Parts: sequence; C-alpha cells; structure tokens
Amino acid sequence: AQSVTQLGSHVSVSEGALVLLRCNYSSSVPPYLFWYVQYPNQGLQLLLKYTTGATLVKGINGFEAEFKKSETSFHLTKPSAHMSDAAEYFCAVRYTSGTYKYIFGTGTRLKVLA
Amino acid sequence: GAGVSQSPSNKVTEKGKDVELRCDPISGHTALYWYRQRLGQGLEFLIYFQGNSAPDKSGLPSDRFSAERTGESVSTLTIQRTQQEDSAVYLCASSLGVGEGVGGGYTFGSGTRLTVV
Repeated sequence: AQSVTQLGSHVSVSEGALVLLRCNYSSSVPPYLFWYVQYPNQGLQLLLKYTTGATLVKGINGFEAEFKKSETSFHLTKPSAHMSDAAEYFCAVRYTSGTYKYIFGTGTRLKVLA
Repeated sequence: GAGVSQSPSNKVTEKGKDVELRCDPISGHTALYWYRQRLGQGLEFLIYFQGNSAPDKSGLPSDRFSAERTGESVSTLTIQRTQQEDSAVYLCASSLGVGEGVGGGYTFGSGTRLTVV
C-alpha cells in the first residue's frame, strides 16, 4: 500500500540550529512530493514541492528538501531555525498514475527553543 | 474567489444530528478534495472530485458520510447521525487538477472544526 512515513512526531531544536524533518515514501515509481506547514490556528500552506528536474528544491522561509530516489526520501531542512518556524509540518505525496489523491504523513511538530 | 472558503468555521452539534459542511473552491480549480484531521493526527483523505468524472470516494469512513459537487463549483460534505468520533477539523482543498498544474499542490481552506457532543 502507498504510504508516507514521517519519523518523529515531535522535534525540538535550538534557535539557530539545523532543522531536519524526515519523510520517506513507499513506491516503486517516484511520486510528486510536497511539504506543507501548519502554523498554530491556521490552515495548511504549501512550503515546497518536487515534481521533476532538480532534486534539491527550495521553498519559502529558507526551507529546502532533497529528493533521493535511492532512499525513497524527501527530508526537509533549514540551516538555521527561527522561533517563527515553530509549527506542524506535513509531508505528502501524489502518485503519478491512478488515483490523484494526495497521501499525507502524520505530521511532525517542530518546537524551537530560545 | 481568492482562496478556498469553508463554512461554518466552527460547528457544535449533538450526537445523532446531521451536519452539512460547505466548501467554495478557487475559481477555475477543477479538482476538489475533502480531508479530515483529528486532534493530534495527520490528514485523512475522504473524497476527491475532478471535473465531471466520478468522484473517488475511497476514503469515506462510513455510509453516514457523503459529498456532492455540482460541476466545478461548491461542494458540500454531509455527515448523518453524527458520532463523537466524527469530531475533527474537516479541510477542503482545491487544485488545478490533472494535466496542467497537476504538480502544483493544493490550496487549503481554513477548515471547519466539528465538535459532536
């Protein structure tokens, strides 16, 4: 079955430290890949996406993610965490054939410590 | 409209009552999706509409749940005989759908928080 796994439901980092949020998917065919962010009491917002082409994609607010086919991963990183990055982050995939629904991971709540 | 609009933003209902949730997608977006987000959990796919094609209802949890969409306009999600486990935030999203813009990702509404008491 198609699935998305986000390792770590809660991640804490110090302000200024590297942010690394992990996402792995299950598929023999590379899907489209997305990261969404949900700030407290707000809706989901697209952070970045990978469809084709360059495997390192840059998103808003200094985030980036790298698609690694061999590892079936799409980890989200940011070199230096800011207090405003505290939010819940969801990885999602959309497979390129068959169903057009998106499958979301269970989310990772990022806490940034002063 | 400029964004995906959902109403009501909050709904408290008694167990056993029916509720209707409304989603108004972005104009021109042919695809419309409903998801459910229970407290502390990820997004659970419910149903997907694409133009005039038959909807993908594979995520509806029971026959108490149904959704309609006329053409490429407003959609309503109906939950009959609500149960406490139906309490969640119900999110609607729209996108350009298949073909052009298919990889563009969703635009989400701000959701309807449903509480069944």
